[in-house]
Amino acid sequence: GAGVSQSPSNKVTEKGKDVELRCDPISGHTALYWYRQSLGQGLEFLIYFQGNSAPDKSGLPSDRFSAERTGGSVSTLTIQRTQQEDSAVYLCASSPSGAVYEQYFGPGTRLTVT
Amino acid sequence: KQEVTQIPAALSVPEGENLVLNCSFTDSAIYNLQWFRQDPGKGLTSLLLIQSSQREQTSGRLNASLDKSSGRSTLYIAASQPGDSATYLCAVRGGGSEKLVFGKGTKLTVNP
Repeated sequence: GAGVSQSPSNKVTEKGKDVELRCDPISGHTALYWYRQSLGQGLEFLIYFQGNSAPDKSGLPSDRFSAERTGGSVSTLTIQRTQQEDSAVYLCASSPSGAVYEQYFGPGTRLTVT
Repeated sequence: KQEVTQIPAALSVPEGENLVLNCSFTDSAIYNLQWFRQDPGKGLTSLLLIQSSQREQTSGRLNASLDKSSGRSTLYIAASQPGDSATYLCAVRGGGSEKLVFGKGTKLTVNP
């Protein structure tokens, strides 16, 4: 079956611009996660959705970052006024509800802020 | 705060060798532990998931063990092949949180 998909695969933007990153989870997966992978920092959690609600936003690095999920499916991560330190690979994962399930990751969006 | 450490950071072995990758975590209150593989420029591929109540999981040439009380997991790869070359990541989930906390990975190179 179809896995987690993300778009775009690559995004180059100028400092100060806003960007939107999209994630399509596996059908039927109620839990959705965003992570960020940057050089030297490893993989860091950003936000977790259960359905359309985000009970854990603790990893969002600043108020320039926001995310939403609609219809219990697609999620969009928005970064406003991008900075060079936002350059990273943004990974989305999904899983069925419940801590016992494994998370399945998408291919990621590579964001470069120039 | 959960912290995950992977040793070694890099490993180079000849083809055919059996090898062990190590992962340690500071908080033993976990739901489960997941091992992933990441190829350059790619996303993460889940290899094995071990629940907190389990001691090990096997898939093909891979075997992962979990000692929750000591905060350790190992990934054993038998008869390594050049196609096994990748970065291997360990991640734990728990402590009342849904998120995965990752180690920085072990970069494995298997030489023909």
